[in-house]
Parts: sequence; structure tokens; C-alpha cells
Amino acid sequence: AQSVTQLGSHVSVSEGALVLLRCNYSSSVPPYLFWYVQYPNQGLQLLLKYTTGATLVKGINGFEAEFKKSETSFHLTKPSAHMSDAAEYFCAADGARGGADGLTFGKGTHLIIQP
Amino acid sequence: DGGITQSPKYLFRKEGQNVTLSCEQNLNHDAMYWYRQDPGQGLRLIYYSQIVNDFQKGDIAEGYSVSREKKESFPLTVTSAQKNPTAFYLCASSRGALYSPLHFGNGTRLTVT
Repeated sequence: AQSVTQLGSHVSVSEGALVLLRCNYSSSVPPYLFWYVQYPNQGLQLLLKYTTGATLVKGINGFEAEFKKSETSFHLTKPSAHMSDAAEYFCAADGARGGADGLTFGKGTHLIIQP
Repeated sequence: DGGITQSPKYLFRKEGQNVTLSCEQNLNHDAMYWYRQDPGQGLRLIYYSQIVNDFQKGDIAEGYSVSREKKESFPLTVTSAQKNPTAFYLCASSRGALYSPLHFGNGTRLTVT
């Protein structure tokens, strides 16, 4: 079965610093991969997705992620953190099942921005 | 604007009572999903439906039931058999095709005492 691991339940960075949130997947077949953001007491909003093609994917709010098959990783980065980036971030994978039966989510990483 | 509406946002029930959470979408999506979110646990799939009048159990279906009588609606009933029902419940929908991301509602926070 597909699984998604997010390293670090909490990540704290200073405003203006690099944001790096880690995600690894387990699958012999590269899945389709997604990053979502969740603000308190709200649903999840799609940041970006990787399907096929270019391995560096750009998303909304200045975030990007790079798919590395050799490392089974899909880490999320942003060059300069803003206070508004404080939220919960979820990595998700859609394996060979083909999308219609939902995504497998990691446990989330809470991003804290220090002023 | 198209989207997913979950109601109510907060729900309180006594232990032993069944409760139904509403989810409506106007995105014309074929597939709909219910996830449960607990602190530090991520999202876990309860039920999903790829087409009207059909639905499948997810990873944690015990104690829950659903129906899909209309394309737009996918209500979730939390029954008294669910041992730990207090949680944040998220409804989502998608086109159901490859690469399709999920679109989420704003959730219902259920508290059972």
C-alpha cells in the first residue's frame, strides 16, 4: 500500500528564511504527488501537484516542489517565508489506483514563522 | 462560484446519538470523499463515492454510513457504533480522473460528550 511520510511534525523558520518541508513516498511505481495547505479550522487548499514531465513544480504563493525519483521524495520549498505562510501542510500521493478512490496523506507539518 | 459546502461548521452531540453531516458540491464532480482529521494523524479516508448510488469503504469506515442519491450530495452519518467520534470531518470532491486533485469543503468539527 502507498504511504507518505512527512519528516517533522513542526518546523519553525524566521520570516524571510528558506522554508523546506520534507515528504517521502513509498511506492515502486512513482505516484502522482500533491501538496496542500490548511489554515486553522478550514479545509485543505491545493498548493501544487506533480503528475508527469518536469520534476520541478511551481505552485501558488511562491512555493515549489521537486520530484526526485531516486530519493522517493517530493520536498516543498519557498525561498523567503512570510508570516502568512504559517499553516499546516500536507503531502499526498495518488498511486496506481488512479485517483478516483482518494489520496493517501502524510500526517502533516505545522509551519511556524518567527518574526 | 463553485465549491463544496459543509454544514454545520460545529456540531455537538451526546454519546449514543447518531448524527448526520452534510456535504454539497456544485462543481459537477463525479467523485466525493469523506476524511477524518485528528491532531497529528493527518487525514484518513472514511468513505468515497465515484458515482451516484455507489460508494466504497475507505480505511476507517467502521461506525460510519453514507448515501449518494444525488451527484451533488454525499451526507455522512456518524453512528453510535463509532467509538471515538469527536474529530474534524472533511468532505472533498474530484473529477475522479487521473491527476485529479481533491477540492475540500471547510469541514465540520464534531464534538461528542
